[in-house]
Amino acid sequence: GAVVSQHPSRVICKSGTSVKIECRSLDFQATTMFWYRQFPKKSLMLMATSNEGSKATYEQGVEKDKFLINHASLTLSTLTVTSAHPEDSSFYICSARALQGVEAFFGQGTRLTVV
Amino acid sequence: AQTVTQSQPEMSVQEAETVTLSCTYDTSESDYYLFWYKQPPSRQMILVIRQEAYKQQNATENRFSVNFQKAAKSFSLKISDSQLGDAAMYFCAYRSATNQFYFGTGTSLTVIP
Repeated sequence: GAVVSQHPSRVICKSGTSVKIECRSLDFQATTMFWYRQFPKKSLMLMATSNEGSKATYEQGVEKDKFLINHASLTLSTLTVTSAHPEDSSFYICSARALQGVEAFFGQGTRLTVV
Repeated sequence: AQTVTQSQPEMSVQEAETVTLSCTYDTSESDYYLFWYKQPPSRQMILVIRQEAYKQQNATENRFSVNFQKAAKSFSLKISDSQLGDAAMYFCAYRSATNQFYFGTGTSLTVIP
C-alpha cells in the first residue's frame, strides 16, 4: 500500500508552547488528509479534514484556532497545536487519500506530551 | 451521520483457530466502502481488507475474509488460522460518499499460544 510518513513520532513540549506535526504522503498525491486524535484504548476521533489548497473542515467541538491545519501541497499537511496544555496530551494520527483512491493510508502517529 | 458499532470490546482466540469480529453500521447511503483496519501495539494503522458496497461478493485477503450483509448493515471479519501476529486492535470503518471515514470503537484481539 501507499506510504504516509508522520513526524515526529514522539514530542514533549512545555505548556504554553506550540508544536507542529507533519504528515507526508511519500509515493502518491494526497488530495485529502485527515487528522485524528486517539485516547488510550479508544477509537479514532476525527478532528478535521483538509483538502489541498483549501481551508480545513473541523469537526464540531474542535477549536480551529488551537489546532491549526495547513495542507499547502499534495504531499504535506501539518497540524500545529498552539498554546499547548496538558489536556492536549494525546496520540495524534494523520491519514491521506488520493483523489481517485478508495482507502485512506495512515501515518505512524505522534505521541504528544505536554508538561 | 453514519455510525459504526463494534459490540465486542475484547475477543480472544487460540492460535490456529478461527475468530469472527462483528461490525454493524447505520447509513442511508447506497454507495459506500467498508474497511477493517488493524492497529498493533506500534499504533500504526494497517489496512486489512476492504469491501465495496456495490459488490455482492465478500472480499477475501489470504486468511482474512468478510461477511458483508448489506441489507442487515453488517460487516464481520473472519480471521482463519490465527497467528500470534494477529493480536491487535481491530477497527471497522465506513467511508461515505462524501469521503468521510467513520470508525467503530474497536475490538481488542488476543491470540493465545
